[in-house]
Amino acid sequence: DVKVTQSSRYLVKRTGEKVFLECVQDMDHENMFWYRQDPGLGLRLIYFSYDVKMKEKGDIPEGYSVSREKKERFSLILESASTNQTSMYLCASSVSGIYSNQPQHFGDGTRLSIL
Amino acid sequence: SQQGEEDPQALSIQEGENATMNCSYKTSINNLQWYRQNSGRGLVHLILIRSNEREKHSGRLRVTLDTSKKSSSLLITASRAADTASYFCATITNAGKSTFGDGTTLTVKP
Repeated sequence: DVKVTQSSRYLVKRTGEKVFLECVQDMDHENMFWYRQDPGLGLRLIYFSYDVKMKEKGDIPEGYSVSREKKERFSLILESASTNQTSMYLCASSVSGIYSNQPQHFGDGTRLSIL
Repeated sequence: SQQGEEDPQALSIQEGENATMNCSYKTSINNLQWYRQNSGRGLVHLILIRSNEREKHSGRLRVTLDTSKKSSSLLITASRAADTASYFCATITNAGKSTFGDGTTLTVKP
């Protein structure tokens, strides 16, 4: 089975801090994704990557950056955390290239609170 | 309304009954996928239906797709308390862009 592991289930940070959320997948998937999930807004795509060192903006990239130095690891960075970034963050991966019609495999999420 | 919008937002049924959830979308798609999310967990893929397919089955799940109406439905037959979860549809365009809806929260009472 595919395993997508997010480094923390719960995280509490302060406004202005630089925050790193880490995600690792063990199935050699090309595609990796970061979403945030908020009540009433569903899942919104922040960034995705279809290869090492490649990244594409999703629907809500403002305030975030990403890093993919190795195929199995995709990091989400909040350069200067703000309270409106309090949310559930979900990482996912999928096989194949950008035109993939394969399912996405999700981690269990990181519930991030910015105080 | 948003791409991949589920209806109803919440559904409560008794164990043994069937549960039907609907998803509507606006743009052309390559495929549509249904996911399930248990409380506090990530999403788990249930079933994928391609744009040239009309119906697909997987165990107690039945998915239909009507591209002329830009809608899909997920039917869970003979529901169990363990089916209690949120269900999301995701539409994937030919460009590979995926969009998730807000989900339907299903409660199955024992």
